[in-house]
Amino acid sequence: GENVEQHPSTLSVQEGDSAVIKCTYSDSASNYFPWYKQELGKGPQLIIDIRSNVGEKKDQRIAVTLNKTAKHFSLHITETQPEDSAVYFCAASKRSQGNLIFGKGTKLSVKP
Amino acid sequence: GAGVSQSPRYKVAKRGQDVALRCDPISGHVSLFWYQQALGQGPEFLTYFQNEAQLDKSGLPSDRFFAERPEGSVSTLKIQRTQQEDSAVYLCASMAWGSYNEQFFGPGTRLTVL
Repeated sequence: GENVEQHPSTLSVQEGDSAVIKCTYSDSASNYFPWYKQELGKGPQLIIDIRSNVGEKKDQRIAVTLNKTAKHFSLHITETQPEDSAVYFCAASKRSQGNLIFGKGTKLSVKP
Repeated sequence: GAGVSQSPRYKVAKRGQDVALRCDPISGHVSLFWYQQALGQGPEFLTYFQNEAQLDKSGLPSDRFFAERPEGSVSTLKIQRTQQEDSAVYLCASMAWGSYNEQFFGPGTRLTVL
């Protein structure tokens, strides 16, 4: 079955710096890759996603890139702010299944 | 509009007790998923409904876990004879028909088994 690995497990940056989180997946049939942000005591919040027919997608300060050949995808956050501090999860799925396979998460701390 | 809601938000059970966790999906969302999230880990898939049909229950860890969605809206996850290893946050997510796997999560129910 699908396996998603996520790195790093923790990331600390200064406010205004960029943050990059990387994930790899094992199943070449996976075609949907969302990113979720989870704050303490809350459920995961979908922040951006990318489908396998696209190499890059951007939404304001957040961007995601996908390399299907290498089977990896990355989340890029620019001009980080303290409110970006949270745990970020990548995930992968095949449309036919629907269920998401998650990475283990990255705890991002943005220091003012 | 309202998002996914779950109740109770916190549940403490003694080992051996039965518990029932409720999920109210976003109105009109056809698909509903349950996930289990252990402390410090990513969510893990438990089961999936499309309307009232349970199409995939491959993630349920044992026959003590049972889920239902009798009218295709509200869903209940039931755990019988709870064990300490069942302690986790149980997350519900819903998805609209025709959506490309865009799942929207509720706040979760934190279950602690003593």
